[in-house]
Amino acid sequence: KNEVEQSPQNLTAQEGEFITINCSYSVGISALHWLQQHPGGGIVSLFMLSSGKKKHGRLIATINIQEKHSSLHITASHPRDSAVYICAVKRDTDKLIFGTGTRLQVFP
Amino acid sequence: DTEVTQTPKHLVMGMTNKKSLKCEQHMGHRAMYWYKQKAKKPPELMFVYSYEKLSINESVPSRFSPECPNSSLLNLHLHALQPEDSALYLCASSQEFLGGGPGTEAFFGQGTRLTVV
Repeated sequence: KNEVEQSPQNLTAQEGEFITINCSYSVGISALHWLQQHPGGGIVSLFMLSSGKKKHGRLIATINIQEKHSSLHITASHPRDSAVYICAVKRDTDKLIFGTGTRLQVFP
Repeated sequence: DTEVTQTPKHLVMGMTNKKSLKCEQHMGHRAMYWYKQKAKKPPELMFVYSYEKLSINESVPSRFSPECPNSSLLNLHLHALQPEDSALYLCASSQEFLGGGPGTEAFFGQGTRLTVV
């Protein structure tokens, strides 16, 4: 079993829909990253969380340390949000443990 | 400047060639990383440099040779690669490696797509 599990693996949505991607982890962590990767491209860091909730534009990330769970929400989704979203956790160093990613496609 | 710049963007090399990948950041970060990513898989850590010293080598074959000539620059020298080494190679940096606390944000480059023929 992976230390970091994401669900769903694949997600399709219509433009405008509210999207939730989930991440569960089984180890103690110091922080959790949400990353975005466009096809063939590099990785962009969306959020780094160690507690609570963060918001940036249409993106919201939450984390529940006790339940070892984080969610990434996208409000009013748009085709340009189509990408792979990766959850990654940090333990006592900056070495990241990656989830397997959620492939999101948003159709007009 | 919050960019990690990787060159080249694409590289095709033969199995007998020697080539190098380059990564540069000017954020004053003291930790730099090489990752390998195969299609539809998450990145796999290869090497970590902390304060220009190799901190982690994740049992990477010797045909991959990292080098950190200064705090802004990270190279990956390639020699006698195999077709299965074809992948996206990502560089990343962060302020520190042994942070111990909540840690610091990681910044990733756009990657070099390597094809070994």
